Amino acid sequence: QKEVEQDPGPLSVPEGAIVSLNCTYSNSAFQYFMWYRQYSRKGPELLMYTYSSGNKEDGRFTAQVDKSSKYISLFIRDSQPSDSATYLCAMSAGHSGGSNYKLTFGKGTLLTVNP
Amino acid sequence: DAGVTQSPTHLIKTRGQHVTLRCSPISGHKSVSWYQQVLGQGPQFIFQYYEKEERGRGNFPDRFSARQFPNYSSELNVNALLLGDSALYLCASSFGRVTGELFFGEGSRLTVL
Repeated sequence: QKEVEQDPGPLSVPEGAIVSLNCTYSNSAFQYFMWYRQYSRKGPELLMYTYSSGNKEDGRFTAQVDKSSKYISLFIRDSQPSDSATYLCAMSAGHSGGSNYKLTFGKGTLLTVNP
Repeated sequence: DAGVTQSPTHLIKTRGQHVTLRCSPISGHKSVSWYQQVLGQGPQFIFQYYEKEERGRGNFPDRFSARQFPNYSSELNVNALLLGDSALYLCASSFGRVTGELFFGEGSRLTVL
């Protein structure tokens, strides 16, 4: 079993739709949870960052973490064509047992928002 | 402010050759990490350096090495290149606190023929 599982998609939605992206994980030591957006042939861009369980909202984006279920989600409201990209979940145990802040990534989900 | 800068952006090498990739972190950031991203996969952790010391190493062979300089810039070296080393090599910097907030550069795309 991989440490982080993410459905690679692809996911295609019409403009204005609500998008739900998810990851599951197996390592109970993960405490920091991130979502990155990566446009084609570019580096990942940090979108959302959360510590431990709970929700965080930033504009049209909402990140949810459920540590009891080892499940994290990213919701995009009123999706726009400019949101078309690959979305990567990433997790870290922080400064624990020498692992420091190594990030473990999911495979990424390719999202296309159609005008 | 400038973000993380990497050079070169693209390069082509042949099997057995050596490559050096360079990274300049965001001003004020003391930690640099290197990741390898193969097409269709998420980035895989290679190294982390903080204050010029190696603080973490991923599951990569000894052909991969890195260092961090006094100005916090960093180099990733790969010896005896294999076809499977073809990938996007990403550098990320962070302030150094245990937050996991890494900021990535655009990457160096290496093709090994």
